[in-house]
Amino acid sequence: DAGVIQSPRHEVTEMGQEVTLRCKPISGHNSLFWYRQTMMRGLELLIYFNNNVPIDDSGMPEDRFSAKMPNASFSTLKIQPSEPRDSAVYFCASSGHDTDTQYFGPGTRLTVL
Amino acid sequence: TQLLEQSPQFLSIQEGENLTVYCNSSSVFSSLQWYRQEPGEGPVLLVTVVTGGEVKKLKRLTFQFGDARKDSSLHITAAQTGDTGLYLCAGPLMGYSTLTFGKGTMLLVSP
Repeated sequence: DAGVIQSPRHEVTEMGQEVTLRCKPISGHNSLFWYRQTMMRGLELLIYFNNNVPIDDSGMPEDRFSAKMPNASFSTLKIQPSEPRDSAVYFCASSGHDTDTQYFGPGTRLTVL
Repeated sequence: TQLLEQSPQFLSIQEGENLTVYCNSSSVFSSLQWYRQEPGEGPVLLVTVVTGGEVKKLKRLTFQFGDARKDSSLHITAAQTGDTGLYLCAGPLMGYSTLTFGKGTMLLVSP
């Protein structure tokens, strides 16, 4: 079975550019989570969706960040405009019905110059 | 302020040694999970502890949940180089469904 798929694996961009990160959750899972990991702050939840609906976006740092889940098999996290302090590893995770187990993707390492 | 404090932050040991890492909080959690993360990969769930005082064993790894559900420990017996990685604890605060993560303990096991 394919796990959570994220693309791209690495992204290097310049300050001010738009960045779009993509995630395909495990088929059949109904919850999807976006996290950001840095050395300073560890792993932080940005937003989570349940049945494609955003439930909690209190972790989204500011209006430059937005996330969508147009269907059960795809989600995007967009940063516009990007800033150097956005540099981090961004993880997507999904979980199924009636379970606390989250399955993480391999992450996207974002570097904003 | 981190809701889940993990200690130590970094641990370097030789193969065959025993070790314990800790996850502490002043808040109560309905359950606690332990994950291991290897370089370039996402965290992978090792175990979930649910009941206060619960002890779970996974081969050479022993996990314990504190009686008051505010802390947990992970003990590794006879560490192997394959145990190297970042160990993260996480849990949902009482009344919440999302996970709060600690910053992790980075374990390096040398041959």
